[in-house]
Amino acid sequence: EAEVAQSPRYKITEKSQAVAFWCDPISGHATLYWYRQILGQGPELLVQFQDESVVDDSQLPKDRFSAERLKGVDSTLKIQPAELGDSAMYLCASSLKGQNTGELFFGEGSRLTVL
Amino acid sequence: KQEVTQIPAALSVPEGENLVLNCSFTDSAIYNLQWFRQDPGKGLTSLLLIQSSQREQTSGRLNASLDKSSGRSTLYIAASQPGDSATYLCAVIGAGNMLTFGGGTRLMVKP
Repeated sequence: EAEVAQSPRYKITEKSQAVAFWCDPISGHATLYWYRQILGQGPELLVQFQDESVVDDSQLPKDRFSAERLKGVDSTLKIQPAELGDSAMYLCASSLKGQNTGELFFGEGSRLTVL
Repeated sequence: KQEVTQIPAALSVPEGENLVLNCSFTDSAIYNLQWFRQDPGKGLTSLLLIQSSQREQTSGRLNASLDKSSGRSTLYIAASQPGDSATYLCAVIGAGNMLTFGGGTRLMVKP
């Protein structure tokens, strides 16, 4: 069964360091999302891509976070510099383009700990 | 702005009980609603997707209902088992495939 792949699964870093997460969506899924989930809370959208274009990044802290999906397939989320409050699970999800059935499929997530 | 609320935040039941998890949303202009399960430290697994034109969906021991006009959905779990212990999240999908999550219900089913 097709899955959304994410790496790394776990990342421990010191504050002020740079960190990057990678996501490979299900083949053929043109819509890709990055969510952040703080422990005990529901996920919150950081950025949504349609193919290689950003659809929504209104909640992305652009002073330190960046996201790209250059070829409209896999995506990278970067944080520089990392802060203590960035400790969270970073979830990637994908869905079919233009399909407002909108079923989303999530990866296993990347858990970030900032010391 | 869409807001999604899940009640209760946590629930502990003995094995075998039937139980209901609640989800409410403020903007009824949704395309569909999706229920997810999340095990500790893991990603989200899709359980059920209800289209806005549907009233309910069933999968095994799970049944989800949707009342768009009142902004409510329920997830019914029949004959609960310890393996059902997890966090259950509901999310509503609006225009542009924008997904808004509730805070989740942490379920513990005791043997």
